[in-house]
Amino acid sequence: SQQGEEDPQALSIQEGENATMNCSYKTSINNLQWYRQNSGRGLVHLILIRSNEREKHSGRLRVTLDTSKKSSSLLITASRAADTASYFCATDAEKSGGSNYKLTFGKGTLLTVNP
Amino acid sequence: NAGVTQTPKFQVLKTGQSMTLQCAQDMNHNSMYWYRQDPGMGLRLIYYSASEGTTDKGEVPNGYNVSRLNKREFSLRLESAAPSQTSVYFCASILTFGNYGYTFGSGTRLTVV
Repeated sequence: SQQGEEDPQALSIQEGENATMNCSYKTSINNLQWYRQNSGRGLVHLILIRSNEREKHSGRLRVTLDTSKKSSSLLITASRAADTASYFCATDAEKSGGSNYKLTFGKGTLLTVNP
Repeated sequence: NAGVTQTPKFQVLKTGQSMTLQCAQDMNHNSMYWYRQDPGMGLRLIYYSASEGTTDKGEVPNGYNVSRLNKREFSLRLESAAPSQTSVYFCASILTFGNYGYTFGSGTRLTVV
């Protein structure tokens, strides 16, 4: 079963606009990660946020985590056509105070940035 | 530094045939994973190896077997391929869990006819 669920399933914006994607999950986590997948390629790790962190930045990416609501958001500012890709959240579910040593992925958000 | 290398990139099998998907990483990573990706389903974990010498089932292990040959290599075997195993298969590895993200291979696109 999917631990993370992204919303929306698809998002189309104009270059220069901001893009926000959301992820909801079901169980307690150690950390949550975001990945990008360009069409026909493997996934690329973008950012990891731990359960005791609320916000994290990396370049034009901003990730927030609300463990009380079991949700996260990924904000891409000043989007570019090259940001066109699918974005996935993945969770490291907590197990007996430790890790399951595996990530569970959501179904992804397809972001299209129009030039 | 090649990262995670998967072979082959494309394969067509007939129902009932067997094959092994190969995965190798040159980053001295401890844990390795096999996922499958189907349209609308995201990535689903087939098997993983948290450390050399161990393997565990993931969400969808039926019809597959794995071998952690050494620290570098983690292979996925389909003993008797079925059309339901048509998918894109990704291998991933990670140095230590909890501090880093996965490094993914470029995938194997498998069609079973």
